[in-house]
Amino acid sequence: ILNVEQSPQSLHVQEGDSTNFTCSFPSSNFYALHWYRWETAKSPEALFVMTLNGDEKKKGRISATLNTKEGYSYLYIKGSQPEDSATYLCAFNYGGATNKLIFGTGTLLAIQP
Amino acid sequence: DAGVIQSPRHEVTEMGQEVTLRCKPISGHDYLFWYRQTMMRGLELLIYFNNNVPIDDSGMPEDRFSAKMPNASFSTLKIQPSEPRDSAVYFCASSFGAPRQGPQYFGPGTRLTVL
Repeated sequence: ILNVEQSPQSLHVQEGDSTNFTCSFPSSNFYALHWYRWETAKSPEALFVMTLNGDEKKKGRISATLNTKEGYSYLYIKGSQPEDSATYLCAFNYGGATNKLIFGTGTLLAIQP
Repeated sequence: DAGVIQSPRHEVTEMGQEVTLRCKPISGHDYLFWYRQTMMRGLELLIYFNNNVPIDDSGMPEDRFSAKMPNASFSTLKIQPSEPRDSAVYFCASSFGAPRQGPQYFGPGTRLTVL
């Protein structure tokens, strides 16, 4: 059974502080790693799709890195704002099932003003 | 584009009744996915279609669940008969290309409660 793990499960951060969290996935047969942002009472929204080892992607204050050899990705948020409060999901795509995403259980981020 | 459209947004039904959830993907997208979200199992894939053809239904819980995609702009997920353990939020998502090529776009979800 393929396992995608995210840590921590939840995180409380002061407004203005920077933070990061981790997604771990199997390092073999890697195809892609997705990050999604999921606000309460809404649906997941795509942040990044990463395919190459060493990839770094950025969208505003949010960035992500990818290490396919060791099987992890970091998501960074610089200068957290209250609107960053959400659950951040990563999802793994692998060669054994090239059209499917295996989702982690997410990191719940709460920004305290 | 209006994004992925799902209906109904909320459904409350009694055990044993038939439930039909509907999805309209983003125009031009060639993949459509049905997911179920529960507290216990998180977001799990039920079935996906490529060019209207069901490709992998290994996530469908049992024979009570069925899904169709009669054309590129419409899909249904049917539960017959429904049971209380089917209560969950069901999401439809669509994409242009496989996961390696781009993100999935999720609909607002249907919250199903089976009494």
